[in-house]
Amino acid sequence: QKEVEQNSGPLSVPEGAIASLNCTYSDRGSQSFFWYRQYSGKSPELIMSIYSNGDKEDGRFTAQLNKASQYVSLLIRDSQPSDSATYLCAVNIGDYKLSFGAGTTVTVRA
Amino acid sequence: SAVISQKPSRDICQRGTSLTIQCQVDSQVTMMFWYRQQPGQSLTLIATANQGSEATYESGFVIDKFPISRPNLTFSTLTVSNMSPEDSSIYLCSVAQGGTEAFFGQGTRLTVV
Repeated sequence: QKEVEQNSGPLSVPEGAIASLNCTYSDRGSQSFFWYRQYSGKSPELIMSIYSNGDKEDGRFTAQLNKASQYVSLLIRDSQPSDSATYLCAVNIGDYKLSFGAGTTVTVRA
Repeated sequence: SAVISQKPSRDICQRGTSLTIQCQVDSQVTMMFWYRQQPGQSLTLIATANQGSEATYESGFVIDKFPISRPNLTFSTLTVSNMSPEDSSIYLCSVAQGGTEAFFGQGTRLTVV
């Protein structure tokens, strides 16, 4: 069973809209969760980390964590064309190792 | 965050040959890892590079195919041995420093022909 599942894409949103990305994980003992952004041809860039239940906001990004439901999400508010990328959900599986979801490709239409 | 430099950034290699990828960090880091990203896929952890000892490999990866060295806290190498076209991927060095957040080098895009 795959450890980290992301909602299937691609996701296309108009400029200025909210993009909503979802992720579930199987290891109930996981404590650290991350969202990476990966532009085509580039390496992943960490944009959000979350460790506690609830919401964490950073600029236009909000990460939400619900450990009981084993669910992590990322909201991108006021989406811009520069947000067009693949977003990877990652879960710490122990010893600083990460398990990644398949990624969701977001396209923001101008 | 640490600055992570990988060399080479890309290479085209003949099948049956080996390629060694270098990862240099500008500060000492606790943990270093190697990931693979096959075309159109997500990242898969190959191994943890342990300083001064043998790397710890994930299921499906073996030392004979992916030998790893880590002589100190700022440097590691990954060798892709006896390459086949199926090894064509992006190989990424990653470091974790202090907390649990991990950062990536720019990657090495390998094409095996």
